[in-house]
Amino acid sequence: DGGITQSPKYLFRKEGQNVTLSCEQNLNHDAMYWYRQDPGQGLRLIYYSQIVNDFQKGDIAEGYSVSREKKESFPLTVTSAQKNPTAFYLCASSIAFGGARDTQYFGPGTRLTVL
Amino acid sequence: EDQVTQSPEALRLQEGESSSLNCSYTVSGLRGLFWYRQDPGKGPEFLFTLYSAGEEKEKERLKATLTKKESFLHITAPKPEDSATYLCAVQLPTGGFKTIFGAGTRLFVKA
Repeated sequence: DGGITQSPKYLFRKEGQNVTLSCEQNLNHDAMYWYRQDPGQGLRLIYYSQIVNDFQKGDIAEGYSVSREKKESFPLTVTSAQKNPTAFYLCASSIAFGGARDTQYFGPGTRLTVL
Repeated sequence: EDQVTQSPEALRLQEGESSSLNCSYTVSGLRGLFWYRQDPGKGPEFLFTLYSAGEEKEKERLKATLTKKESFLHITAPKPEDSATYLCAVQLPTGGFKTIFGAGTRLFVKA
């Protein structure tokens, strides 16, 4: 089955630690995205990648980093510089970025909690 | 400022009681409007994309419509399994094709 997988489902971080969230897709999509979801707010874009070896900052990139070495994979690192990282993190992909008629499909999410 | 607002924040219905969710937007342009369903603790599930005013799409008990300033998600004779948060998102035609999400409407359907 084609789809997007995220791991782990739950992640706990201690103060000062960097943690990495995994996102893999087998949909052959070019574009991938990372969003953060907080209660009562809309999804906010952290980073996006239009194509392999390219990525751009979204609205709230501070304290986060990404890489896109393979088309299927777009891991997100939450660094110690991110002051309030507790949230639900969602990875998405689309056929192409800014395509004529494009739709983003989401993974199941990772819930990150700072201890 | 580009903005997407969903109302109401929460809606409680009895099974079979039809209603509508609203997504209003003030944006510089519309490339597409998306509706998603999200169950607690899970990722959003794609429902519909609408591209131009007057367009309508249907899926089972759900029907989405679009005007120049807002979209409605109509739910006909809802069942308890329709309980979820419904998200609306607008994709802009400029500025890197940014997608702006509303905060969602939480729907509760009681048997």
